[in-house]
Amino acid sequence: QQQVKQSPQSLIVQKGGISIINCAYENTAFDYFPWYQQFPGKGPALLIAIRPDVSEKKEGRFTISFNKSAKQFSLHIMDSQPGDSATYFCAASMRGSYIPTFGRGTSLIVHP
Amino acid sequence: DTAVSQTPKYLVTQMGNDKSIKCEQNLGHDTMYWYKQDSKKFLKIMFSYNNKELIINETVPNRFSPKSPDKAHLNLHINSLELGDSAVYFCASSQQGNYGYTFGSGTRLTVV
Repeated sequence: QQQVKQSPQSLIVQKGGISIINCAYENTAFDYFPWYQQFPGKGPALLIAIRPDVSEKKEGRFTISFNKSAKQFSLHIMDSQPGDSATYFCAASMRGSYIPTFGRGTSLIVHP
Repeated sequence: DTAVSQTPKYLVTQMGNDKSIKCEQNLGHDTMYWYKQDSKKFLKIMFSYNNKELIINETVPNRFSPKSPDKAHLNLHINSLELGDSAVYFCASSQQGNYGYTFGSGTRLTVV
């Protein structure tokens, strides 16, 4: 049972463009929504996270948009750079468990 | 450096062998995990362990077993290796009651 659905599976963007990755969840008990960034040969690393009491969180060029009623959240990468090329995972966790349920990942390639 | 470190980074072995992967964290976290990442990048939790409780993903074959000599170490033992065990294995840690997760850099296991 996949509780967090992520799309697209792969994304190609030109340098300077906006990258958008979407996720949808099913379990309304989730209360923490992180995004992880994974470079080749490395482990996933926490990039940015949001709680459901806010609709948006921005850190530099990275923004999470959150729609609680639709049970969807998305990662926007503004002014995408070749160095952003990586696999991005959305995830969702709940109080008491704290173990994240991961989406299947999005491979992002930013062309120079 | 504060980190989660795994050894070895690469492991090539024959079918039927028994092997171990070591994991150490110096973050002072009390909970450690093992994840398997398949060729499609899907992250699947295998074990969650703290000094009180071992939680096993029921889909993990009993050929896999975690061993924790102390709360800073969680090693993964695999018996009778099979071709399908080929994957990247990640160790991670967190503090119980905290959403923050730190991953190691992974061990690429190839069974031939």
